Order: sequence, then structure tokens, then C-alpha cells
Amino acid sequence: DGGITQSPKYLFRKEGQNVTLSCEQNLNHDAMYWYRQDPGQGLRLIYYSQIVNDFQKGDIAEGYSVSREKKESFPLTVTSAQKNPTAFYLCASSRLADTQYFGPGTRLTVL
Amino acid sequence: GEDVEQSLFLSVREGDSSVINCTYTDSSSTYLYWYKQEPGAGLQLLTYIFSNMDMKQDQRLTVLLNKKDKHLSLRIADTQTGDSAIYFCAENPNTGKLIFGQGTTLQVKP
Repeated sequence: DGGITQSPKYLFRKEGQNVTLSCEQNLNHDAMYWYRQDPGQGLRLIYYSQIVNDFQKGDIAEGYSVSREKKESFPLTVTSAQKNPTAFYLCASSRLADTQYFGPGTRLTVL
Repeated sequence: GEDVEQSLFLSVREGDSSVINCTYTDSSSTYLYWYKQEPGAGLQLLTYIFSNMDMKQDQRLTVLLNKKDKHLSLRIADTQTGDSAIYFCAENPNTGKLIFGQGTTLQVKP
């Protein structure tokens, strides 16, 4: 079954902790993206990657980090420097400059 | 600058048609998209239109594109309660990133 998976579906973080959100795709897409969505708001781009071992900052990269060691995987780390991390996080993938397909999302809550 | 604008809320009665509107700014965008997001879920691609088309129909969905005015609309015929969701318009300016609108919440009343 082809698609994009994100895990976990729900994640709880204590103040001062780093947490990593997983995103995997088996669509053979070159590009992968991370977005943040706050209640009642649209999507904001955090990071994106168009090729393995390379990635670019989006509009709100501060307090986040990513890696792209494999084509299929693009994990996002929410660091303790991110002041307000509670949000819904969406991962997407695409062929280069093409239609993006989204995963089911991870809801992160800071306790 | 880059910006995609949508109205935030639309309420219709079941069985009526819904029309969701969007304006975009980049005239070089090759594709324009409509995505649907149900509560607690990711975005689902509903349909897209090439910039050299002015209309695309897919079952109950009709997309209209006015390139001159940079206006895109999504019409849902015979709207059902299952159509209640947030609808996002997006443009592809070929920069490697999509530009999304804020989303329109469609409420369908029985």
C-alpha cells in the first residue's frame, strides 16, 4: 500500500524536552515537507527537502531541526528552543515541484 | 508578495450547491489545487487544475479558473453532511513549495 505514514498520532512532551516526529513515504518521492497547523489557522512550512542529505528552512524553522539520510524518511525534531510547540504537525511528499500528498498528522501537546 | 486568500467560513443546507472562492497572486503558477481536511486528519487532495484550463469537472466537483483575475473557485453540487470540512486552496509557483490559503470551513446543515 503506497502512502505517507506519520508516527506517533499523539505525542506529549514535557517542558524542556526534545521530541522527534517520524515521517516515512514509499511513493519514491524526491521531496518531503513539514508543516505546522495551529487551531483555526492554515499551514506554515517548517522545513523541506528536495534531495537526500539536503534541506532548506521554511517560514518558521526556529526551534526545529530535520535530517534526510534516506529518501523515504524525513524526521522532525522539536527542540526545547521552540517556545510554543503545541500544534498539529503534517508531513507531505511530492515529486520535484509537483503535487504534494499528506500524511495523517501528529498532534503534539506540551504538558 | 506570495499570498493566497480565501473566505474563512461558509454555511449551506444539505442538497444545496457550495461555492468556495480563492484568489492567488503568482501568475506563473502552473497548477492550482483544492485540498480537503476533515477534523483531526491530514489534507486530502480533492482536485487540481492546470493553468491553461478554465474549467475542470469531476463528479460533484467543478473547478473554475479565471487567470486574468487570478481567481479560483470550487463548486460542490448536492452538498452532503460528509462534505463538512476545511477546504484549502493552493498554488504551485514552481519554486519547490506550494502556497496555501488559510482554509475555508464548510458547514453543511441537515
